[in-house]
Amino acid sequence: DSGVTQTPKHLITATGQRVTLRCSPRSGDLSVYWYQQSLDQGLQFLIQYYNGEERAKGNILERFSAQQFPDLHSELNLSSLELGDSALYFCASSALQGRSGNTIYFGEGSWLTVV
Amino acid sequence: AQSVSQHNHHVILSEAASLELGCNYSYGGTVNLFWYVQYPGQHLQLLLKYFSGDPLVKGIKGFEAEFIKSKFSFNLRKPSVQWSDTAEYFCAVNAQGTYKYIFGTGTRLKVLA
Repeated sequence: DSGVTQTPKHLITATGQRVTLRCSPRSGDLSVYWYQQSLDQGLQFLIQYYNGEERAKGNILERFSAQQFPDLHSELNLSSLELGDSALYFCASSALQGRSGNTIYFGEGSWLTVV
Repeated sequence: AQSVSQHNHHVILSEAASLELGCNYSYGGTVNLFWYVQYPGQHLQLLLKYFSGDPLVKGIKGFEAEFIKSKFSFNLRKPSVQWSDTAEYFCAVNAQGTYKYIFGTGTRLKVLA
């Protein structure tokens, strides 16, 4: 158990809908990362937050947004869902702000299926 | 821009065979390097990491990796694989001082009993 908690574990929704994925980082970790893992794209970095502020952005679509709350949990919002958004979405956390020598720890992921 | 290449997408080995998975990265500066393993149906777990010092890094479950700076490589090795090593392995790079961790596309290892 990495200490990173993600909900829901599985989600099936229809195209055009909106979903919210939730992540609670390890106790004391200030940084949260979101990754998307699909069969054809591999593991893609989406976005990172540190202590409530966005710090790095990767291949995140405009239909997607995220935020980190004062209690440090994070939510990834996916809207106008398309079939191609079906993937495993991982949250990860780390203690420091991407400083050298830091390790990130992954949650178990949220399986999203868009039908 | 940083990138990570894992050239072997699928590897099939028999138990007790030796393993080497390639990882090359593209970045001119100082990097932190990681190998993660994802067992079927599970999340990514850290196998080993290199930050500085001895370029030969030993991780859990008998895995090791060697950082060769001149070749921009961080290959993963294990002298004798077991059936339980069947998993997907990801190499990751973090440029020191940045927030992004770039992952390779992964290598799926299947070990035959």
